[in-house]
Amino acid sequence: AQRVTQPEKLLSVFKGAPVELKCNYSYSGSPELFWYVQYSRQRLQLLLRHISRESIKGFTADLNKGETSFHLKKPFAQEEDSAMYYCALSGLRDDKIIFGKGTRLHILP
Amino acid sequence: DGGITQSPKYLFRKEGQNVTLSCEQNLNHDAMYWYRQDPGQGLRLIYYSQIVNDFQKGDIAEGYSVSREKKESFPLTVTSAQKNPTAFYLCASNPRATSGANVLTFGAGSRLTVL
Repeated sequence: AQRVTQPEKLLSVFKGAPVELKCNYSYSGSPELFWYVQYSRQRLQLLLRHISRESIKGFTADLNKGETSFHLKKPFAQEEDSAMYYCALSGLRDDKIIFGKGTRLHILP
Repeated sequence: DGGITQSPKYLFRKEGQNVTLSCEQNLNHDAMYWYRQDPGQGLRLIYYSQIVNDFQKGDIAEGYSVSREKKESFPLTVTSAQKNPTAFYLCASNPRATSGANVLTFGAGSRLTVL
């Protein structure tokens, strides 16, 4: 069965400290992994996806097929990073997209 | 802001009544989705549609129904059979079939409260 697990409901990090939001998945096939973000009073939007292998707003995420993980990382947290972060998964040939329960990131001044 | 429009923004319903949430997109995307967002539960997929006149059940389809008569529109009906309908509902679309980019664009959401 397809599943996305985000073990942390809330993560509090001091400004300037490194950030790591964890995401593990279960999928029988070749998955496509994403991170979506929802800032306060804004719509949910794509942050990054593993296929693009890009860094957005200083965030990166590497797909580790051996550990079935797609953790989101940023070396130095900024206050504007405070938001709700969702990990998501779809198949490479499947339009079904499922989400984890989300992690609220709170950056402390 | 354009793209995906959901209406109404807020909706109140009495128990036993059906209610329909509207979702319209002008992005020319083939695929459309409905998710339910509850605190602590994340986004759960209700239904999705890859093409006009076709749709698939998601993980929590019971008590919901959809139609996809036009590419631009994907309305969701919350029926009286849905046991816990009070929630925030999000609609999204995906251009994957046309552009190859597997990226969801979300609406602003509709909050349904059952009294």
